[in-house]
Amino acid sequence: EVQLLESGGGLIQPGESLRLSCAASGFTFSSYVMNWVRQAPGKGLEWVSGISSSGAGAFYRDSVKGRFTISRDNSKNMLYLQMNSLRADDTAVYYCAKDRAWEVLPHFLDYWGQGILVTVSS
Amino acid sequence: DIVMTQSPDSLAVSLGERATINCKSSQSVLYSSNNKNYLAWYQQRPGQPPKLLIFWASTRESGVPDRFTGSGSGTDFSLTISSLQAEDVAFYYCQQYYTTPLTFGGGTKVEIK
Repeated sequence: EVQLLESGGGLIQPGESLRLSCAASGFTFSSYVMNWVRQAPGKGLEWVSGISSSGAGAFYRDSVKGRFTISRDNSKNMLYLQMNSLRADDTAVYYCAKDRAWEVLPHFLDYWGQGILVTVSS
Repeated sequence: DIVMTQSPDSLAVSLGERATINCKSSQSVLYSSNNKNYLAWYQQRPGQPPKLLIFWASTRESGVPDRFTGSGSGTDFSLTISSLQAEDVAFYYCQQYYTTPLTFGGGTKVEIK
């Protein structure tokens, strides 16, 4: 059974940093593209970032480029999102999501974690 | 970025009746080299993460009831629930994966009339 468990969320002040983690199990983690998707309170889904199966390729939405860094440790089956210079509009539930693709580019997302809330507020 | 526009924002349908959700992309998501539409549909029930329903515009994910059907090509797509059940009350999102950034439609809320 595929399981994705996010951790590291919480209340943080604007301008500060936070690292989200996602522990994956139940599939060959190193074979698949992985993604982070967020959902602001009462709003729709917004893709944040994706990373190739090897970790060599990383992709971001414009609003987080230069502030967020996605990474993975295939030896530990872990996905990470380092978030710096956080802003109020980064407040959202962040989902770790497995991609169906085993190539470089993100495609569609076949398994999702339960999500972790990040609140950026003073 | 490819903008995905869903309509309607919400709809209320009687149990057993048909529900249709539309999704339009700002540019074609049909990849000519493989003739595939890079379009997926998700269901998000209250308090739950999204669940993949349809990919390649019309391929149903394993375990998804056959009352869910995806159709369309190029820039215009639809998700049809042929006979609405109580457990289908949810938000539904389309998503393109033709290019990054991946983009989602704004969502459609489906309720029971």
